[in-house]
Amino acid sequence: GQSLEQPSEVTAVEGAIVQINCTYQTSGFYGLSWYQQHDGGAPTFLSYNALDGLEETGRFSSFLSRSDSYGYLLLQELQMKDSASYFCALSNFNKFYFGSGTKLNVKP
Amino acid sequence: DAGVTQSPTHLIKTRGQQVTLRCSPISGHKSVSWYQQVLGQGPQFIFQYYEKEERGRGNFPDRFSARQFPNYSSELNVNALLLGDSALYLCASSPGTGVTYEQYFGPGTRLTVT
Repeated sequence: GQSLEQPSEVTAVEGAIVQINCTYQTSGFYGLSWYQQHDGGAPTFLSYNALDGLEETGRFSSFLSRSDSYGYLLLQELQMKDSASYFCALSNFNKFYFGSGTKLNVKP
Repeated sequence: DAGVTQSPTHLIKTRGQQVTLRCSPISGHKSVSWYQQVLGQGPQFIFQYYEKEERGRGNFPDRFSARQFPNYSSELNVNALLLGDSALYLCASSPGTGVTYEQYFGPGTRLTVT
């Protein structure tokens, strides 16, 4: 089976940098994705790692290490609007598995 | 262009009843997936359909079924509703054949079973 673990909650200050970790167990997967979900909203795609290493998309970066079964999402220059839940997700050809999510609280 | 649309927005049903939820994907997207999201948890994969065929199924009982139509819209059907079926049901579309890493989610249908 598949399992993904994330911290349940993280708090950071506006303008700071925060890292949200994701550890996983899987028998095989194509890559690790990250999604953002505001309260009452739908998940929206942020980033994807098919290969080990760092992917950068604006203020967001994501990292994957297959040998360590570990990934993280890095958010820089935090803004109040970044307060949301963040999910890592594994994808194989015809299934998608989400972690339980990390609630990020950004304080002024 | 319109995003993924779902109907209805909210629904209240009684235990034992049946419910049908509807989803229209982004124009040009041929793959539709369904997820169940219980409050405070991540979305749980239920089904993936592509070209009217079921391509993936999560760990849900046979009470859950779905289908995809020639216009790529989809319906999720749940029979013999249980209290535990109360959740947000999300539909996502993607252009590819499999469940690609980038999916576009609809706003969801909030189902309450009493």
